[in-house]
Amino acid sequence: DADVTQTPRNRITKTGKRIMLECSQTKGHDRMYWYRQDPGLGLRLIYYSFDVKDINKGEISDGYSVSRQAQAKFSLSLESAIPNQTALYFCATSDFGRGLRANEQFFGPGTRLTVL
Amino acid sequence: AQTVTQSQPEMSVQEAETVTLSCTYDTSESDYYLFWYKQPPSRQMILVIRQEAYKQQNATENRFSVNFQKAAKSFSLKISDSQLGDAAMYFCAAGFGNEKLTFGTGTRLTIIP
Repeated sequence: DADVTQTPRNRITKTGKRIMLECSQTKGHDRMYWYRQDPGLGLRLIYYSFDVKDINKGEISDGYSVSRQAQAKFSLSLESAIPNQTALYFCATSDFGRGLRANEQFFGPGTRLTVL
Repeated sequence: AQTVTQSQPEMSVQEAETVTLSCTYDTSESDYYLFWYKQPPSRQMILVIRQEAYKQQNATENRFSVNFQKAAKSFSLKISDSQLGDAAMYFCAAGFGNEKLTFGTGTRLTIIP
């Protein structure tokens, strides 16, 4: 079984709709991240959480919100989807502390989101 | 600002040959961590190799090795004996001590049979 799972894997929605992307992990990691990938831009950080009570904005958080329901679950919401949010979205996890294990991230399979 | 730059959007190599993908970064930190991730058509992000900046020895994982030049802030990936399954997008990433990763824009590698 995959250590980091994302649902749905693919989603097509319309402008203005609210949508939630979900991430679950069985790695026992404290830290979770949401990224979006766009062609030519690499991966950019949307939000991250170092524990259940800690939520932080990344470099492109506008138009997104997150919820850390439990250590193992981290959801990303688009309150009112717009076409330029069409992208590939990744959830990732890393261990606590400092050093290599805190910096090495493990990724889910990604969610392809299309906003029409 | 801490940045990671991949200057080669696309590369190609003949099967069984060796190819090197370039990555440079900019930081004032002395302690950081460098990674190469592979993204095949399945779109899964797969960790290929990691390097801790305080280690002088270059990391190696089977056919994959890095050339880490700390003074030049360079972290290139060498793939030896290229195989068709190596075809993918490759991302260089760096953790600059704040437990977040900064990614480069990627290099698409094509393997020519």
